Order: sequence, then C-alpha cells, then structure tokens
Amino acid sequence: GESVGLHLPTLSVQEGDNSIINCAYSNSASDYFIWYKQESGKGPQFIIDIRSNMDKRQGQRVTVLLNKTVKHLSLQIAATQPGDSAVYFCAENWAGRRALTFGSGTRLQVQP
Amino acid sequence: DAGITQSPRHKVTETGTPVTLRCHQTENHRYMYWYRQDPGHGLRLIHYSYGVKDTDKGEVSDGYSVSRSKTEDFLLTLESATSSQTSVYFCAISDLAGEIYEQYFGPGTRLTVT
Repeated sequence: GESVGLHLPTLSVQEGDNSIINCAYSNSASDYFIWYKQESGKGPQFIIDIRSNMDKRQGQRVTVLLNKTVKHLSLQIAATQPGDSAVYFCAENWAGRRALTFGSGTRLQVQP
Repeated sequence: DAGITQSPRHKVTETGTPVTLRCHQTENHRYMYWYRQDPGHGLRLIHYSYGVKDTDKGEVSDGYSVSRSKTEDFLLTLESATSSQTSVYFCAISDLAGEIYEQYFGPGTRLTVT
C-alpha cells in the first residue's frame, strides 16, 4: 500500500491499553476539528469531530479533547486493538474557509 | 469510501508528459477537493471546487490545473509532469451542509513520474 510517511512520530502501545494521540493546531480562529484514520493503501477515514464550543466529545471507544487555551487536540482510544494500527491525522477549519488544514500525522502501532 | 472512485489507481509516466487524474462521486456533494500526500507533509490541498465550473487554488497549486464540468466529476491535470509531482493523490468530497466541514476521501492514486 501507499506509504504515508517514513518519518512520522510513532506511538507504540500494547493491545488492550489506552492510546492518546496529540495534535497542536496553529490557528486560534479554528472552530472545527476532525480526526482521521488512514490505513495502509487507503484514503483517510473520519473518526470523530468536535466544535470549538465543546471541550470533549465521545464516540465509540474514542474521545476527543480540545484545549483552546493552548491550541491542543487529543484523541483517546480505549482498549486499543490491532485494527487500530494506522496513521492518525488531525485537521482544522475555521468559519468562511472551505477546506481543511491537516497535521502531518502520527503512526499508531499496536503490539499484540 | 463514501461513493468516491478515483482513476487510475496507479500510474507511471515520464517527465514532461501530460497526466489527468479523475475523481468521480455518486453522492451529489457540492464540494470536491484534490490533495497530495507526501512523506513528512501530511495532506496538502492542490485545488478545490465549490460547484460546476467553480474552482479555486489550494496551497500547492503550481503545475496543476482542474476542471469540473459536471457535479460528479473533478479532473486534475498535470500539464507537464515533473519528478516532484510523484505522490499519492487523494480526492475528497464535502457537502458543507450548514456548518458541517467533514470531508470524505477516495482510495487514492499513486503517481510516479520517472
């Protein structure tokens, strides 16, 4: 499959542990944030999103936390599974802009 | 992949030749995007379209042109391919309904320019 990055930061966790992937965003005017998961050979897939009027949002096994004070976003994955191994990207947008700005990604490796 | 197809999925071409990549959607979404993905750079926006015949440049548009003659198709053309355009290209769509910004991605096209 396509290589998404040879020099990505990598997070290695044991199966069953919780994972936390971090992202710093740049624009204080950003009001919408998304996390995407990209498996080898595939396009990015939506995981969860959050608006700037929220600090936390939960999905199935995933939680996104937003700290606007320090412009930081995190994705927490509970009970990490081998199928969670992928590259994870955060993306941001702001009012009036028609396209997302993506971070460079973090590779998550789940050890059995 | 949310009703998005890209063609071709793989292509090898020589420097200086023209190349056209096609993105086709069946979702009737208004917005379509072309990104390229390279090691260490994440996804970078090349061009996008906000309607038939309405397009705008992204952050890395030099050397690329686009066309959208109907809602379902968005074409990316490299007029004269260069080795620096070797990359994986992704198409995305979005409805931007209300304040939703979510984008759905196609499977990608791996382009190699020799």
